[in-house]
Amino acid sequence: EVQLVESGGGLVQPGGSLRLSCAASGFTFSSYVMHWVRQAPGKGLAWVSRIIHDGTITTYADSVRGRFTISRDSAKKTLYLEMNSLRAEDTAVYFCAADIEYKFDYWGQGTLVTVSS
Amino acid sequence: QSALTQPPSASGSPGQSVTISCTGASSDVGRYGYVSWYQHHPGKAPKLMIYDVSKRPSGVPDRFSGSKSGNTASLTVSGLQAEDEADYYCSSYAGSTPFVFGTGTKVTVL
Repeated sequence: EVQLVESGGGLVQPGGSLRLSCAASGFTFSSYVMHWVRQAPGKGLAWVSRIIHDGTITTYADSVRGRFTISRDSAKKTLYLEMNSLRAEDTAVYFCAADIEYKFDYWGQGTLVTVSS
Repeated sequence: QSALTQPPSASGSPGQSVTISCTGASSDVGRYGYVSWYQHHPGKAPKLMIYDVSKRPSGVPDRFSGSKSGNTASLTVSGLQAEDEADYYCSSYAGSTPFVFGTGTKVTVL
């Protein structure tokens, strides 16, 4: 059974940092491009970042570039998102998703990040 | 990159059909054949329903179909069932961006 399980969300003050994790199982993690997608309260889905199979190429949305860092550990089958200089507008449920050939095949249930003082 | 435009809501009675539009631009929907659709029940993981404009993953009922014309893609749900009530999002590959999502459509089964 395919599973993506996010963790690491929580309440953080503006300007603070948080590290999200996404543990993968049930599929060949190293074959998939991995993404983070977020959903702000009452809003739609928004793409955040992606990392290719071997981790050598990363891409970010303009809204998070320079503040967020995506990485992956193939041995642990885990995806990460390091989030720094957090802002109120980063408040959202963060989903990890696995992509092969330009579609999000598998998704996790998400982890909630709340940025508030 | 702006979000793709979807109607906020759509509805139909059980057994009827509903069609959701997804309007983008020549830089995303109009340029690439990589439009996908996702069903999202709040609190759950989104689920891939359609990919490459009109292909269905294994296990997705053939009541779900997709199409594209120019810069607009569409998802049709035929023979509506109660479990189809959910939020639906389109997505398109957009090159360097590289993905953009639609604004989302809440489907209600009356």
